[in-house]
Amino acid sequence: AQSVTQLGSHVSVSEGALVLLRCNYSSSVPPYLFWYVQYPNQGLQLLLKYTSAATLVKGINGFEAEFKKSETSFHLTKPSAHMSDAAEYFCAVSAEDSSYKLIFGSGTRLLVRP
Amino acid sequence: DSGVTQTPKHLITATGQRVTLRCSPRSGDLSVYWYQQSLDQGLQFLIQYYNGEERAKGNILERFSAQQFPDLHSELNLSSLELGDSALYFCASSAHAAYGNTIYFGEGSWLTVV
Repeated sequence: AQSVTQLGSHVSVSEGALVLLRCNYSSSVPPYLFWYVQYPNQGLQLLLKYTSAATLVKGINGFEAEFKKSETSFHLTKPSAHMSDAAEYFCAVSAEDSSYKLIFGSGTRLLVRP
Repeated sequence: DSGVTQTPKHLITATGQRVTLRCSPRSGDLSVYWYQQSLDQGLQFLIQYYNGEERAKGNILERFSAQQFPDLHSELNLSSLELGDSALYFCASSAHAAYGNTIYFGEGSWLTVV
């Protein structure tokens, strides 16, 4: 069965520091992977999507993620955190069944310290 | 703005009552998904409709039901409400039901059962 694991329910960084949010997946077929962001009291916004075209995927707001098949990982990074990045981040994989729904990880709340 | 519209944004109701949450998918999207987000369960897939037909069921309670209408809007009906049903309910849509398709989320409907 497919699954997504996000290590660390909370990550705290200083403004200007590197952001690294971890995601590992399990899939029996080549995966489609996504990162979504949820700002306080808002919906889920797509940050980026991996489609196998390139292992390094660039998204919005300066975020990028690297697909590593050998590590079954799709970690999200941003070189320099901004206060406005404080939010919850969800990693997801496209389901293999006919629903093709998204299977989400448990989320990581990013706190940015001034 | 994802293009997915959900109403109402907030709803407070009493235990035992019934509510209907409404979703308008992005223009032209045939597939509609419903998710429930709660603190203890995270993002849980409830049900999917594709072009008016139920496509997949997830962790949806028997007290809950949904439908998709000919104009492709969808409604999620929650009945005999319990305190534990308090959650954020998301509607999401995609153009088709295909592996890896991008799914866009609405802002959600906050349901509080008192």
